[in-house]
This record gives sequence, structure tokens and C-alpha cells, in this order.
Amino acid sequence: EIVLTQSPGTLSLSPGERATLSCGASPSVSSIYLGWYQQKPGQAPRLLIYGASSRATGIPDRFSGRGSGTDFTLTISRLEPEDFAVYFCQQYGSSPWTFGQGTKVEIK
Amino acid sequence: QVHLQESGPGLVKPSETLSLTCTVSGGSISNFYWSWIRQPPGKGLEWIGYLYYIGSTDYNPSLKSRVTISLDTSKNQFSLKLRSVTAADTAVYYCARGDYNTSPTEIWGQGTLVTVSS
Repeated sequence: EIVLTQSPGTLSLSPGERATLSCGASPSVSSIYLGWYQQKPGQAPRLLIYGASSRATGIPDRFSGRGSGTDFTLTISRLEPEDFAVYFCQQYGSSPWTFGQGTKVEIK
Repeated sequence: QVHLQESGPGLVKPSETLSLTCTVSGGSISNFYWSWIRQPPGKGLEWIGYLYYIGSTDYNPSLKSRVTISLDTSKNQFSLKLRSVTAADTAVYYCARGDYNTSPTEIWGQGTLVTVSS
């Protein structure tokens, strides 16, 4: 089973700041099978990024993803008020599909 | 635009079978991966398994002995059965759809809370 470890657990930032979230994979994951999701309280997760770096339909370009192998990053270039949420990474290249434990981006 | 909606009992007794249905509207039940994912209250996400439209399935080994996912193309629905439930199975259950052109869990239902309690 591929274990995804996200850091930090919580990120306290102000609107307008840059957010950098990390997702480490053990063992490695092919980048084409790595996704990122946003989840707000009481809502289902929403796909932001697939294939490590491709934005899903309707996702603003302030969200970007990069990485390969064991290290992946989600960057939010300038935080908007609606971006404060929990973010999960997911791998779907190896069964069982697995998720990271999440990073909460909270208002400082 | 495709929409997924979970339905089923919100309360299940220990040792019984949890049964949920996901109704698909605005799109065909064919040509995709159809998954179930769950999230215990206040915790992270756990993939339960998928059914690919041609009939193949894959389940999380942690649940494999208790899970069945099936498809009813005539009703545009797919379903989850989880047998011999315990309190540890209390969670919000989500259905999801997708393919490998993007993500196999691209589109999600809103989720439904199932509580296991006597």
C-alpha cells in the first residue's frame, strides 16, 4: 500500500498570502496518478488537480500542482477567503487507492 | 451536467448489512469507474472500492471480505453492500465517478452519514 503523508497538518495564513502544501509518497507514485482535493465543512471533496499538475475543470489558475516520484506540492498563489479549507492528496495508480491525512489551511 | 446522489438508511445495527445506492443523473452509468469512499466523522478519507463499467471490481483489502459493489444500468444506479458492520463503520459515505483521462474519482456525490448503533 502506498502511504501518502501530508505536511504541515495545519497552515495558518492570511488572505492574499501564498500557501504551499506538501504530499510525500512511500513508495513512489507515478505523477500521472496523483490528485489534490479541497474539502469544506459539510461538503464533499472537490477535485482540484489531477496528474499532479493539471487543473480540473473550473479550477482557478491560482491553484497549481507539481512534483514527481515521492514529493508533490500544491500551491495556492494568493489565498482567497473561499480557499480556507482542508486539502487532501490522493494516489490512484496502485491498489488500494489511498489519501493523505489532509492539511487544514486556516485563517491567521 | 452529471449529478450523483447517495441514498440509504442513516442508521444500521451492529452485525447487519449497510446498503447504499448512488443514483446517477445527467449522464450514462457506462464508461467510467464507479467508486465508494468513506470518511469517519472528523477523520480522513478511505477508498472502499470501485466497479469499472465492464464489470470488473477492486476493493480495499481492509474491507474486501465484507464489501460488494454492483451496477444496475437499467436504473442508472450503483450500490454498496458492507456486511457485518461495527461502530468503526460509522462514516459519511460518498459515491464518485471518473476515468483515467482525469481522475477516476473526479465527480462526487454530496455524501450520506451512516451511523452503526443498536
